[in-house]
Amino acid sequence: QKEVEQNSGPLSVPEGAIASLNCTYSDRGSQSFFWYRQYSGKSPELIMSIYSNGDKEDGRFTAQLNKASQYVSLLIRDSQPSDSATYLCAVAPSGGYNKLIFGAGTRLAVHP
Amino acid sequence: SQTIHQWPATLVQPVGSPLSLECTVEGTSNPNLYWYRQAAGRGLQLLFYSVGIGQISSEVPQNLSASRPQDRQFILSSKKLLLSDSGFYLCAWSVPPTEQYFGPGTRLTVT
Repeated sequence: QKEVEQNSGPLSVPEGAIASLNCTYSDRGSQSFFWYRQYSGKSPELIMSIYSNGDKEDGRFTAQLNKASQYVSLLIRDSQPSDSATYLCAVAPSGGYNKLIFGAGTRLAVHP
Repeated sequence: SQTIHQWPATLVQPVGSPLSLECTVEGTSNPNLYWYRQAAGRGLQLLFYSVGIGQISSEVPQNLSASRPQDRQFILSSKKLLLSDSGFYLCAWSVPPTEQYFGPGTRLTVT
């Protein structure tokens, strides 16, 4: 069973701080990794994708991938109350890109 | 640009009634299409995916079925709803090997 694990949270951070969200996956052959943001009652929205080891930055967001440790993370710098949402980690398992395996999500709460 | 539509946005149905949810994608050709369900406070459960017209793969045994009558149309159906079918139903599309993009979802309550 290929799995993606996330801490359910809530992760509470003060406004302006760095929020660090973590994800581990079981399929060592996975090649593609994604972070989605889901506001309460809304559908998931893709915010980051990463395919190679290392860091990928996009504005206030940085995705980090370590395939040897089977670990992917999302850093949100200068966190804002509008970042409060559930963040879903998704992994494309080895053997094809037809499916994604989603973690259960980490709820982030940014307080003023 | 690509757009994905789902309807209806919300639905309240009695137990034992039929179900039909529709999803359409604009602005792309031959996408992969997916149906997910998200129970309250839970993660995403992949129900069906399709790589082409008439090609449906089922991920979990249940009383739901899916069809893809046209390239950019994906339909989720049930002949008789169960209470456990309540949830947030999400359609998504992708053009492999890229990311999946979600529609706005249908919130189904079975009473």
